[in-house]
Amino acid sequence: AQSVAQPEDQVNVAEGNPLTVKCTYSVSGNPYLFWYVQYPNRGLQFLLKYITGDNLVKGSYGFEAEFNKSQTSFHLKKPSALVSDSALYFCAVSENAGNMLTFGGGTRLMVKP
Amino acid sequence: AAGVIQSPRHLIKEKRETATLKCYPIPRHDTVYWYQQGPGQDPQFLISFYEKMQSDKGSIPDRFSAQQFSDYHSELNMSSLELGDSALYFCASSRASSYNEQFFGPGTRLTVL
Repeated sequence: AQSVAQPEDQVNVAEGNPLTVKCTYSVSGNPYLFWYVQYPNRGLQFLLKYITGDNLVKGSYGFEAEFNKSQTSFHLKKPSALVSDSALYFCAVSENAGNMLTFGGGTRLMVKP
Repeated sequence: AAGVIQSPRHLIKEKRETATLKCYPIPRHDTVYWYQQGPGQDPQFLISFYEKMQSDKGSIPDRFSAQQFSDYHSELNMSSLELGDSALYFCASSRASSYNEQFFGPGTRLTVL
């Protein structure tokens, strides 16, 4: 079985400061890892994915994520937060290509001016 | 770029009524997924189809059924609606060769009164 944990319900950061949104996962095989962002009353927008290769993955809007196999983590990062980054962020995992995604509980990111 | 289309965007039904949600995947995408997101919750996988065959099944109630048609669009049929079925229903599509990068539609907000 696959599972995802996002330990923080909310992350607060000042504009211009770096941000980190944490995610840990559990799968029985090799993980396919994803980050999605959701704005109010909107669908999920794909940010980035890790399949294989470099542990640091770069995605949309300046976001990046670091895959750490030993810690089974896939934290989302951005060097300089924007107020417009304020949204709900979901980490997701699947065990194989074509499989369902299992989402974490989501982390609300609040970036204050 | 073309995105996933869902219709209707909003739907209001009475208890015990039926509802049909439609999903039109991105062209050349061969896999469709359905997710349910309750208020304040993370998306939960319902069911998926690959090349018009059911490929995976999650926590989909027996009152719900779905299928994928020859043009790859999919429909989620919901019968004997209950108040607890009120949620945002997302459809996502992917190509089997894309390592499960799922693109989500804007969702259908179903309200059961």
